[in-house]
Amino acid sequence: GEDVEQSLFLSVREGDSSVINCTYTDSSSTYLYWYKQEPGAGLQLLTYIFSNMDMKQDQRLTVLLNKKDKHLSLRIADTQTGDSAIYFCVADDPGRRALTFGSGTRLQVQP
Amino acid sequence: GAVVSQHPSWVICKSGTSVKIECRSLDFQATTMFWYRQFPKQSLMLMATSNEGSKATYEQGVEKDKFLINHASLTLSTLTVTSAHPEDSSFYICSAHPPGQGGETQYFGPGTRLLVL
Repeated sequence: GEDVEQSLFLSVREGDSSVINCTYTDSSSTYLYWYKQEPGAGLQLLTYIFSNMDMKQDQRLTVLLNKKDKHLSLRIADTQTGDSAIYFCVADDPGRRALTFGSGTRLQVQP
Repeated sequence: GAVVSQHPSWVICKSGTSVKIECRSLDFQATTMFWYRQFPKQSLMLMATSNEGSKATYEQGVEKDKFLINHASLTLSTLTVTSAHPEDSSFYICSAHPPGQGGETQYFGPGTRLLVL
C-alpha cells in the first residue's frame, strides 16, 4: 500500500519561511493534501494539489509537487506563531478515495 | 460548504462497555464514509471503509468484531467499539465525500475522543 514519509519536527523564527517536505510511494495518487492539526483539535484542510500540477499557490502557502520523484513540499511564507501545529502530508487512493497520512511534522514557531 | 458531524465529541466509559459513535453528512449523501483512528502523538490510520447498504471493509489488523460499522442510510454511519478496553482510547475521525465530485471534496468530522477507564 501507499507509504507517506515526512520529517517529524521543524522549528523556525516568526517571519521566516517554513518548508515541510514529504515523499510518497504510490504514483497513482491523484490528489495530495496538506492538513493542519492544532493540539486537541480536529483536522483543517490547508490546501491540496492535483497530480497533473507542479505548483499551487494560495496566499502564504505554496505547494510544490515533483511527481517524478514523488516529492511534495509545503512552504509557508512569513510564518506566524499561530502557524504552530502539526502538518500532515496526505495522499489519496484514487480507487477507494481513502487517504494515507504521513506521520505529521510538528512546526514550532519561535517569537 | 459541506459539513460532516460526529457525536459525541467526547466519551469516557468503563472497561468492558460498548460505545457508539455517529458520523453524519449534513448536506449531502455519502455512499461511502471512512473511519480513522489517531493515537496520542501519532498519525491518523484508516480503520475501515463504511459502505451504505453493504458490509464495511476493514484494514489489515482491525478487528471487525470489535469495531462494528453500520451504514444504514446515505447520511449516517456508526462505529461501535464493543467491549472497550483502555488500549482503545483514541481519537476517532470519520470522513465522507459527496459522490460524483473530485478528491478535493473530502470532508472530515471534528472527531470523537474516547477514553476507556
